[in-house]
Order: sequence, then structure tokens, then C-alpha cells
Amino acid sequence: AQSVSQHNHHVILSEAASLELGCNYSYGGTVNLFWYVQYPGQHLQLLLKYFSGDPLVKGIKGFEAEFIKSKFSFNLRKPSVQWSDTAEYFCAVNGAPGGYQKVTFGTGTKLQVIP
Amino acid sequence: EAQVTQNPRYLITVTGKKLTVTCSQNMNHEYMSWYRQDPGLGLRQIYYSMNVEVTDKGDVPEGYKVSRKEKRNFPLILESPSPNQTSLYFCASSDRGSNIDTQYFGPGTRLTVL
Repeated sequence: AQSVSQHNHHVILSEAASLELGCNYSYGGTVNLFWYVQYPGQHLQLLLKYFSGDPLVKGIKGFEAEFIKSKFSFNLRKPSVQWSDTAEYFCAVNGAPGGYQKVTFGTGTKLQVIP
Repeated sequence: EAQVTQNPRYLITVTGKKLTVTCSQNMNHEYMSWYRQDPGLGLRQIYYSMNVEVTDKGDVPEGYKVSRKEKRNFPLILESPSPNQTSLYFCASSDRGSNIDTQYFGPGTRLTVL
């Protein structure tokens, strides 16, 4: 079965610091990759996604992620974080081997940005 | 407004007392899914549905049932809840059943089973 690892469980940064959150998945083949964000008290919402094409994808609020197939990774980055980026971030994968209807999420990374 | 709604938002119940959490979407989406979120475990998929009358198990289906009689509704049923089902539950929908794209999530239902 597919599994998704987010190694950073809790990250604390000062405003303007750069951010990189790791995401690795276990099973190769053709996959779709997503990053979702959950701001305090709000619904989960999509940050960005990768289906095919350019492995560097840009999302909302200045976030980007790079798909590296050889490393089974889809790390999330932002050059300069703001206090409003404080949230929990989830990486998700669908595709092989469970099929495109089954979605596997990582355990999440809580980001705290200090003003 | 396009949205996924869940009811109730909060529920405290006792072991063994059957309950249903409703989920409804107004976007005419084919795909709907239920997840539970637990600290340190992230979101885990319980059941999903690719269209009316088509449902399948996710990673943690034990103790849950679902039905999809109408496109807009996807209730989650706990026939005999147990304390290990205490969790935060999310419903989500997506517009394609065959290759899931962006999922739109409901606000969550916090369930406590005593």
C-alpha cells in the first residue's frame, strides 16, 4: 500500500525565514501529488498539486513544490514565511498502487511562525 | 456558494448508540470521501464513493458504513460506536470520480464516544 512520510512534525520559524517541508511517498509509478493546508479553525484547502508536466509547481500564497521522481519526493517551499502561514500542512498522494480513487495523506506538519 | 456541509459539527455519545453524520455537497461532484483525523496520524481515508451506488473501502473502514443513494449526499454511519472512534471526521468531494483532483473539504465533525 502507498504511504506518505512527512518527517517534520512541528516546525517553528521566524517571519521572513525560508520554509521547506519534506514529503516522501513509498510507491513509484504514476501518481498525483497534493499539498493541503489547514489554517486554525478553517477547512482544509488545496495549496498546490502536481499531475504531470513541469515538476516545479506553484500554488497559492507564494508556495511552490518540486516533484523529484527519483527521490519519491514532493517537498513544499516558500522563500519567506509570514505569521499568517501558521497552519498545519498535509501532503497527499493518489494513484499507484491503490488506484486514483484512493488518497493517502501524510501525518501533517504543524508550522508556527513567530512574528 | 459552493460548499460541503457536515452535521452535526460536534457530537458526544455513548458506546453502542448508533449515529449518523451527514455530508452534503452542492457542486454536483461525482466523488465523495470520508476521513478521520487523529493526532500524529494525519488524515486516514475511511470510505469513498465514485458515484451514486458506488462505494469502496479506504484504509480504515472497520466500524463504519456509508451509502450513496443521491449524488449530493454521503452519510457516515457508526452502527455501534466505540471509544476508539473518537476523532475529528472530514467529508470531502471532488468533481472527477475516475482520477481524483482537488478535494473540497467540509468543516469537520468532532465526535466523542464515551
